[in-house]
Amino acid sequence: EAQVTQNPRYLITVTGKKLTVTCSQNMNHEYMSWYRQDPGLGLRQIYYSMNVEVTDKGDVPEGYKVSRKEKRNFPLILESPSPNQTSLYFCASKGSRLNTEAFFGQGTRLTVV
Amino acid sequence: AQTVTQSQPEMSVQEAETVTLSCTYDTSESNYYLFWYKQPPSRQMILVIRQEAYKQQNATENRFSVNFQKAAKSFSLKISDSQLGDTAMYFCAFILPNFGNEKLTFGTGTRLTIIP
Repeated sequence: EAQVTQNPRYLITVTGKKLTVTCSQNMNHEYMSWYRQDPGLGLRQIYYSMNVEVTDKGDVPEGYKVSRKEKRNFPLILESPSPNQTSLYFCASKGSRLNTEAFFGQGTRLTVV
Repeated sequence: AQTVTQSQPEMSVQEAETVTLSCTYDTSESNYYLFWYKQPPSRQMILVIRQEAYKQQNATENRFSVNFQKAAKSFSLKISDSQLGDTAMYFCAFILPNFGNEKLTFGTGTRLTIIP
């Protein structure tokens, strides 16, 4: 079954404690991306990756890091989380053709206290 | 800047009725793709329907159809014979041809409630 798997689904952490949200896809997609969803703002792109070892900033990259060492995995790293990073996070992957469907993970609800 | 506007934060409709969700967007490009995504309480993002900007024919998927007005930059979603399972947040989004960042630009969403 084609899927994007994110873990964990829920996470509560304290300010400054490094955390990683994992994302893995089984569709051999080149393109992967992270979004955050906030009320009244919709989904906004944090980082994206066009292929292995190729990553770049999206619209709201501050406070986040990513890596793409393998094609299937694209973890999101918060080195020093702050309360304004409390949000719902989605990983997405898609093939290289423009009009192909983007597949989303199940979402990670992060709370930073 | 590319933007998507959904002017209806919340809507409700009786079961079996028809409802239309509005979406406008702004881009100077002529080639792009438009999407409607559904997000039920489970939080999963589900693609409902897609439209290619260079196609004049409006896309349809079973009970879901769109009214695409390219000149007006409008892309509304019509749900016919609404069902309780249609209760969800709906996001309008578009993507531009770009050999780098294939970013989806989303609107702020419309929360739709189907009333039994």
